[in-house]
Amino acid sequence: DTAVSQTPKYLVTQMGNDKSIKCEQNLGHDTMYWYKQDSKKFLKIMFSYNNKELIINETVPNRFSPKSPDKAHLNLHINSLELGDSAVYFCASSPTPGTGDYGYTFGSGTRLTVV
Amino acid sequence: AQSVTQLGSHVSVSEGALVLLRCNYSSSVPPYLFWYVQYPNQGLQLLLKYTSAATLVKGINGFEAEFKKSETSFHLTKPSAHMSDAAEYFCAVSGANNLFFGTGTRLTVIP
Repeated sequence: DTAVSQTPKYLVTQMGNDKSIKCEQNLGHDTMYWYKQDSKKFLKIMFSYNNKELIINETVPNRFSPKSPDKAHLNLHINSLELGDSAVYFCASSPTPGTGDYGYTFGSGTRLTVV
Repeated sequence: AQSVTQLGSHVSVSEGALVLLRCNYSSSVPPYLFWYVQYPNQGLQLLLKYTSAATLVKGINGFEAEFKKSETSFHLTKPSAHMSDAAEYFCAVSGANNLFFGTGTRLTVIP
């Protein structure tokens, strides 16, 4: 049973298109995240949701819109894709920060290539 | 604010040699620290975490790390490198609502 699953694993698309990445976790965690890993492997938080509410919204272009229909799902929609959006996007989940358990579980990533 | 610095973007060791990957942290509150491993084209896997219990933390695959407050360090070690240890390793510190990652260290194991 996959704890945090993302789809698709690979996504190749043309500039200007709109695409979505889906994420689901079956760990019962309250908090979910989107991280972006750039070509130099640097990982940076994009968004964080706790019980479907947006907690963190880093300096990310508003072409990126997260949606959390319930606490087990956090999807990422990207409008008008640009070449610079090419990266690996990781979904993660954890118990609510501050509750004493600090286990973050990551998905296997979605490699987005914009051509 | 929380941050981590990983010293050395690339580390090469011979198979069977000691692995030492360095991480120093900065935190305004008692930190919670993590090491993650990323194998090629895969996601992040938790190796071990420090959450203010024992300062010597044992993880998976024979790795361990020691929290040293006086040195603000959380270095990762393994007594004997195996070829399968070749991967990217990330140190991270917990912030209020997310993890802050270091820039990663690529470990190469030479046969």
